[in-house]
Amino acid sequence: DQQVKQNSPSLSVQEGRISILNCDYTNSMFDYFLWYKKYPAEGPTFLISISSIKDKNEDGRFTVFLNKSAKHLSLHIVPSQPGDSAVYFCAASAAIQGAQKLVFGQGTRLTINP
Amino acid sequence: NAGVTQTPKFRVLKTGQSMTLLCAQDMNHEYMYWYRQDPGMGLRLIHYSVGEGTTAKGEVPDGYNVSRLKKQNFLLGLESAAPSQTSVYFCASGRNTQYFGPGTRLTVL
Repeated sequence: DQQVKQNSPSLSVQEGRISILNCDYTNSMFDYFLWYKKYPAEGPTFLISISSIKDKNEDGRFTVFLNKSAKHLSLHIVPSQPGDSAVYFCAASAAIQGAQKLVFGQGTRLTINP
Repeated sequence: NAGVTQTPKFRVLKTGQSMTLLCAQDMNHEYMYWYRQDPGMGLRLIHYSVGEGTTAKGEVPDGYNVSRLKKQNFLLGLESAAPSQTSVYFCASGRNTQYFGPGTRLTVL
């Protein structure tokens, strides 16, 4: 049972436009959500996060939106730049048996075209 | 400040061989984790530790063992490698936000 889903395996966006990556989750116990960016042959890099008590968090070009009623979060990147081309993973966190555990989506490969 | 480091970066094993992957962090984190990533899938949790001397099973623990003898180190062992363990292994540390190492690419023939 996939608790965190990224339904778009890939996304192609023109440089300068907005990139929107989506993520859905099923477990209402998740209380913290994160986005990671991953380049080939490197480890995931933390990008931005949001607590379940908020519906929006902004950091420079990156904004994460959380819709708890729909169990949906999205990452907006504006304007998109060539260096944003990477695989993006969303992750949801819950305290399970005394530990904060992350559950990851399958990832979305973002390509920014010049 | 190196963050999270992993050794080795690459390894090829034959079926039945054993090996240990080493993870080290210099951020004084209590929590450490081992994940594997396979094509088309997100990262899956193998084992984790909430402090020195503690370990616990994650989502896919079979075929792996771990030890956390020192706070800064978390070791992942494969006692008898199988082709199904061919994967990229990532170590992470941190509690609410986890910080990842660069990964170890393991191939089991």
